[in-house]
Amino acid sequence: GAGVSQSPSNKVTEKGKDVELRCDPISGHTALYWYRQSLGQGLEFLIYFQGNSAPDKSGLPSDRFSAERTGGSVSTLTIQRTQQEDSAVYLCASELGGQGLLREQFFGPGTRLTVL
Amino acid sequence: GNSVTQMEGPVTLSEEAFLTINCTYTATGYPSLFWYVQYPGEGLQLLLKATKADDKGSNKGFEATYRKETTSFHLEKGSVQVSDSAVYFCALRDTGANSKLTFGKGITLSVRP
Repeated sequence: GAGVSQSPSNKVTEKGKDVELRCDPISGHTALYWYRQSLGQGLEFLIYFQGNSAPDKSGLPSDRFSAERTGGSVSTLTIQRTQQEDSAVYLCASELGGQGLLREQFFGPGTRLTVL
Repeated sequence: GNSVTQMEGPVTLSEEAFLTINCTYTATGYPSLFWYVQYPGEGLQLLLKATKADDKGSNKGFEATYRKETTSFHLEKGSVQVSDSAVYFCALRDTGANSKLTFGKGITLSVRP
């Protein structure tokens, strides 16, 4: 398929462990976004990549969260020393890029993270 | 900063009922406005959008009009179906390049046969 893919689809971890979440964007999409969907908080922006650089990291909730993108394609969101409040669905979206009004973010199916 | 406020849910309707889901926003400048839908077990999908004041977005029988004077983008459908049962999110986006989406908290719609 040509859509955004994310892995794993589900992740259960113990408090204090580190986790890595992966996003494969649509081929050719230069912009990539991470969002978090948690109960009671709705959908929150985490970080945005343009190519391999991250001009907007303003949504990362703490320094335990980091993300990288390599080769202008795959992105990994890493959460260190996970806490129970990190439990959420982490969504990735990609976009062709540019400023056109027709641009659209395409979302992946998400990774459901549960921290015990 | 930008923000989006949606009416509280959940909403339960009978099939063929009229649907209105309220959405208001706060933003500097002139954002684009969106409705996204998340069907059970599926990812988030764009339902419709409007990019300037008085624009009407429409798709699958749903409509929403960008009202700058009331800073609103209410979603309407004249006759809902069971298949419309989903979570609906209102969102906005600044007009700058590759800017992030700001979402409302979402509302769950259940349609009874």
